[in-house]
Amino acid sequence: GDSVTQMEGPVTLSEEAFLTINCTYTATGYPSLFWYVQYPGEGLQLLLKATKADDKGSNKGFEATYRKETTSFHLEKGSVQVSDSAVYFCALSERDSSYKLIFGSGTRLLVRP
Amino acid sequence: EAGVVQSPRYKIIEKKQPVAFWCNPISGHNTLYWYLQNLGQGPELLIRYENEEAVDDSQLPKDRFSAERLKGVDSTLKIQPAELGDSAVYLCASSQSTGHPTEAFFGQGTRLTVV
Repeated sequence: GDSVTQMEGPVTLSEEAFLTINCTYTATGYPSLFWYVQYPGEGLQLLLKATKADDKGSNKGFEATYRKETTSFHLEKGSVQVSDSAVYFCALSERDSSYKLIFGSGTRLLVRP
Repeated sequence: EAGVVQSPRYKIIEKKQPVAFWCNPISGHNTLYWYLQNLGQGPELLIRYENEEAVDDSQLPKDRFSAERLKGVDSTLKIQPAELGDSAVYLCASSQSTGHPTEAFFGQGTRLTVV
C-alpha cells in the first residue's frame, strides 16, 4: 500500500541555518503531495502542496519540489527562525487510496536563537 | 471564519469506561474525517464521511469504536469500553469536497488518556 517515510528527528538548528527535511513516498498511482505543520498546542495546518511532477509548492519561505523520478518531496527553507519550531508531516493523497491523507511519522524541528 | 472545533481538548478516563468526542466542522464542508494520532506518529484515518454517509470506515475498530454524523454537520466519535491502548490524540478534519486534491483543515484534537 501507499506510504510516506520521513527523516527522524529531532532536527536542531541555529537561527538562520538552512533546513532540509527529507520525505520519500510509495504510491500505486499518481499522488498529490503535502507538507503539514503542527505548532505546539495547535492543530495540523497545511504548509504547502504539489499535485504533479516537477511542481514546486511554496509558503512562508518553505519550498518542496515533487520529484517523481526519486519519489521524493523534500522540504527546504533557506533561513529558519525560532518561530519555525514545530513538527512537520509529509503526506500524500491519491485516488487509489480514496483520497485519504497518508502521513509520515513527522519530524520535529527545534530552532535555537 | 471559525475553524474545526473539537471538544473536549483533554480527557482522562479509567479503562473500561465509555468516552465520546465531538467535532464541529467548518461551515459548508461536506467531508469530515476522524484521525487517530499516536505519540510520535503521523495521523491515521479512522473514518471519513461525505455528508452523513460513512464512505470509508475500514480502519475503524468496530468492536469498540462508533461514529455518527447526524444531519451531515457535527460528528461524534465514541469508544466503549476504552482500553489503555486507546490513549492518543483524536483529530477531526473537514474539507469542502472529496476528490483530488482537496485541502483538509484540522481541529486541535482531543488528547485521551486511559488509566
